[in-house]
Amino acid sequence: EVQLVESGGGLVKPGGSLRLSCAASGFTFSSYVMNWVRQAPGKGLEWVSSISDNSSYIYYAESLKGRFTISRDNAKNSLYLQMNSLRAEDTAIYYCIQGSWFDYWGQGTLVTVSS
Amino acid sequence: QSALTQPPSASGSPGQSVTISCTGTSSDVGGYNYVSWYQHHPGKAPKLMIYEVTKRPSGVPDRFSGSKSDNTASLTVSGLQAEDEADYYCSSYGGSNNWVFGGGTKLTVL
Repeated sequence: EVQLVESGGGLVKPGGSLRLSCAASGFTFSSYVMNWVRQAPGKGLEWVSSISDNSSYIYYAESLKGRFTISRDNAKNSLYLQMNSLRAEDTAIYYCIQGSWFDYWGQGTLVTVSS
Repeated sequence: QSALTQPPSASGSPGQSVTISCTGTSSDVGGYNYVSWYQHHPGKAPKLMIYEVTKRPSGVPDRFSGSKSDNTASLTVSGLQAEDEADYYCSSYGGSNNWVFGGGTKLTVL
């Protein structure tokens, strides 16, 4: 069974940084594209970033380029999202997702940016 | 504002059919056959229901079907059941290694 467990969310002040982690199990992590998608309170889903199986290809939503960095450690079956210069509008639930079609989702971790 | 437009709500009685629309542009929905649909019960992980416009992942009931015409994709749920009550989101490849999502539709089973 595919399991994706996000962690690292919490309350952070504007301008601060946070690193999200996603622990994957139940599949061959190194064979899959991985993604981050977020959902702000009361809003729809927003694609954040995707990374290929061997990290050769990395893509970001245009609005986030330069502030967020996606990475993975295939030896640890883990996906990461480093978020810098956080703003109030980054407040959202962040989902870790396996697959090119966003096949399997974690339950998300809440990031709140507030002073 | 979400990139793809979905109606905020939809409803139907048990056994009926309901269709949820997802409208984009020729740069996303209309330009690629890469539309997906996700079911989200609050507090649980979203679930992929349809990919590549019409394909169902293993384990998804055939009561769920997808289609597309021009810049609008649709999800049809036939034979509505109580457990189908959830939020539904569409997504589409938007070109240039970019993905776009809809704002979500809350489906109520009356």
